[in-house]
Amino acid sequence: QKEVEQNSGPLSVPEGAIASLNCTYSDRGSQSFFWYRQYSGKSPELIMSIYSNGDKEDGRFTAQLNKASQYVSLLIRDSQPSDSATYLCAVNDAQGSGNTGKLIFGQGTTLQVKP
Amino acid sequence: DVKVTQSSRYLVKRTGEKVFLECVQDMDHENMFWYRQDPGLGLRLIYFSYDVKMKEKGDIPEGYSVSREKKERFSLILESASTNQTSMYLCASTHSWGREGFDEQFFGPGTRLTVL
Repeated sequence: QKEVEQNSGPLSVPEGAIASLNCTYSDRGSQSFFWYRQYSGKSPELIMSIYSNGDKEDGRFTAQLNKASQYVSLLIRDSQPSDSATYLCAVNDAQGSGNTGKLIFGQGTTLQVKP
Repeated sequence: DVKVTQSSRYLVKRTGEKVFLECVQDMDHENMFWYRQDPGLGLRLIYFSYDVKMKEKGDIPEGYSVSREKKERFSLILESASTNQTSMYLCASTHSWGREGFDEQFFGPGTRLTVL
């Protein structure tokens, strides 16, 4: 059973701090990694994609990927109360050398940014 | 921007009714997916489709069927709704195969279905 693991939280950080969200995955064949943000009662919104080892930055968001450790993280700098949401980690469901187009989602980490 | 729309935001149905949930995407995506999301269980894949008239079972297909007669439209059908199908239903679509980032899934706004 392929799995994506996240700490459910809640992770509470003060406004202006760095929030660090972590995710591990079980399938070594996975090649695509995503972070989605989901506000309460709303649908998931794609905020970051990463495909290569290392860091990828987009504004206040940085995704970090370490395929050897099967670990992907999301850093949110200068956290704002509007960042309070559930963050879902997703990896592609690879089958052998192929790619099914499906994603495996973690259960999400709830982030609370306190003013 | 990718736009995925779903026919209803909120829906209330009675046990035994046949329920249709519609999803439309406007980006000529080949791949479309239906999920349900429940507290503590996360996102679970019900069915997906790689092309018109093609469908594949996901992890929890029981009690559901799908239809994809046109590329832009993917319908989820609850043949005989039951109370345990009360959930948030989410549709997603992805770019065509071979394009960079083809497996980035874009979600519709969701339909919150209540079965009484």
